[in-house]
Amino acid sequence: QVQLQESGPGLVKPSETLSLTCTVSGGSVSSGSYYWSWIRQPPGKGLEWIGYIYYSGSTNYNPSLKSRVTISVDTSKNQFSLKLSSVTAADTAVYYCAREARYLRYFDYWGQGTLVTVSS
Amino acid sequence: QSALTQPASVSGSPGQSITISCTGTSSDVGGYNYVSWYQQHPGKAPKLMIYEVSNRPSGVSNRFSGSKSGNTASLTISGLQAEDEADYYCSSYTSSSTLEVFGTGTKVTVL
Repeated sequence: QVQLQESGPGLVKPSETLSLTCTVSGGSVSSGSYYWSWIRQPPGKGLEWIGYIYYSGSTNYNPSLKSRVTISVDTSKNQFSLKLSSVTAADTAVYYCAREARYLRYFDYWGQGTLVTVSS
Repeated sequence: QSALTQPASVSGSPGQSITISCTGTSSDVGGYNYVSWYQQHPGKAPKLMIYEVSNRPSGVSNRFSGSKSGNTASLTISGLQAEDEADYYCSSYTSSSTLEVFGTGTKVTVL
């Protein structure tokens, strides 16, 4: 059974960089069949796709966040990570990591989510 | 790329059937069969319910079914049960630079 677990600070100051890591167990980030994605959900609002990374290191980001987002992968640790720079209160959200089927484009496994609050 | 359009809320009595719509454009829902549906209970992560328009993952009840016509996809829940009360989101691949787009979300209430 594939499991994903997000980790990282729950509180980030405005203008700083949000950093989260997703640890994958029961599966490998090196699998060629999947993208590894980050998705967020502001409190009381809907889901927003942030971006994904392939095991090779190739990435795609939501254009609305592209200038501030970096997603990286560490195959040796079976982890992938998210960095979002210059955060504001609008970036306060529950952040999910998820596995996306590469060819059929659905998210089949999700982490439990972690709330990140941007506040001084 | 705007979010796909879903009704804010849908309700039904136990045992009834309800349908949730998800309207996009020819660049997303209408152009590809990569439409998926997710169920989200309060405080929980979304759960995949339907993929590729109408396919159910192993373990998902056959009371859930999906379909598509033109630029609108639909999720039908038959034999509505109390446990089906949750938020539901559609998602689609899109040819726009956004690549992935979610719906606005629908709150299902079991009366």
